[in-house]
Amino acid sequence: GDSVTQMEGPVTLSEEAFLTINCTYTATGYPSLFWYVQYPGEGLQLLLKATKADDKGSNKGFEATYRKETTSFHLEKGSVQVSDSAVYFCALTTSWGAGSYQLTFGKGTKLSVIP
Amino acid sequence: NAGVMQNPRHLVRRRGQEARLRCSPMKGHSHVYWYRQLPEEGLKFMVYLQKENIIDESGMPKERFSAEFPKEGPSILRIQQVVRGDSAAYFCASSPRGQGATYQETQYFGPGTRLLVL
Repeated sequence: GDSVTQMEGPVTLSEEAFLTINCTYTATGYPSLFWYVQYPGEGLQLLLKATKADDKGSNKGFEATYRKETTSFHLEKGSVQVSDSAVYFCALTTSWGAGSYQLTFGKGTKLSVIP
Repeated sequence: NAGVMQNPRHLVRRRGQEARLRCSPMKGHSHVYWYRQLPEEGLKFMVYLQKENIIDESGMPKERFSAEFPKEGPSILRIQQVVRGDSAAYFCASSPRGQGATYQETQYFGPGTRLLVL
C-alpha cells in the first residue's frame, strides 16, 4: 500500500537557520503530495502541495519540489522563525478504485525554533 | 467563511460508555473524511462519506465504530463501549467534491476532538 516516510524529530534550530525536513513516499498510483502543519492543540493546516512531477509548492517561505525520480518531497525554508515551531506532516493522496482519496500521512516531525 | 467545525473539542468518557463526535463541513462541501491521531503518531484514515453514503470505510475498526453523514446536520462518528485504546484525537476534514482522477482537491481539517477514556 501507499506509505510516507519522513525524518524523525524532534528538530531544534536557532532562529534564522535553514530548515530541511526529508520526506519520501511509495505509491501505486500517481500521487499528489502535501505538507500540513499542526500547531499545539490545533488541527492541521495545509502548508503547500504539488500535484505533478517537478511542481514546486510554496507558501510562507516554505518550499517543496515533487521529485518523481527520487520519490521525494522534502520541505525547506531558508530562515526559520520562532513562530514556525510546530509539527509538520508529509502526506499523499492517490486515486482509489472505489473513488476514495484518503490522505496517507507520515508520522510527523516536531520542529522547535529557539531565539 | 467558517471552517470545518468539530464538537466537542474535548470529551472524557469512562470505559463502556458511548462517544459521539460531530463534524460540520465547510460551507459548500459535501464530502467528509475522518482521521484518528494516536499519541506520537501521524493521522490514520478511518472513513470517507458523502451525504447519506459511506464511500470508503476501509480504515474503520470492524466493531464498535460507526459513522454517518445525514442529508441534514453534521457528520457523526460514534464509538460504542469505549476502551482506553480509543483515547486519541479525532479529526474531520472536508472537501467540496470527491477528487477526480485529473483534479486533486485539498482536504480542509477541523480542530479535532480529543477523546480521553478513563
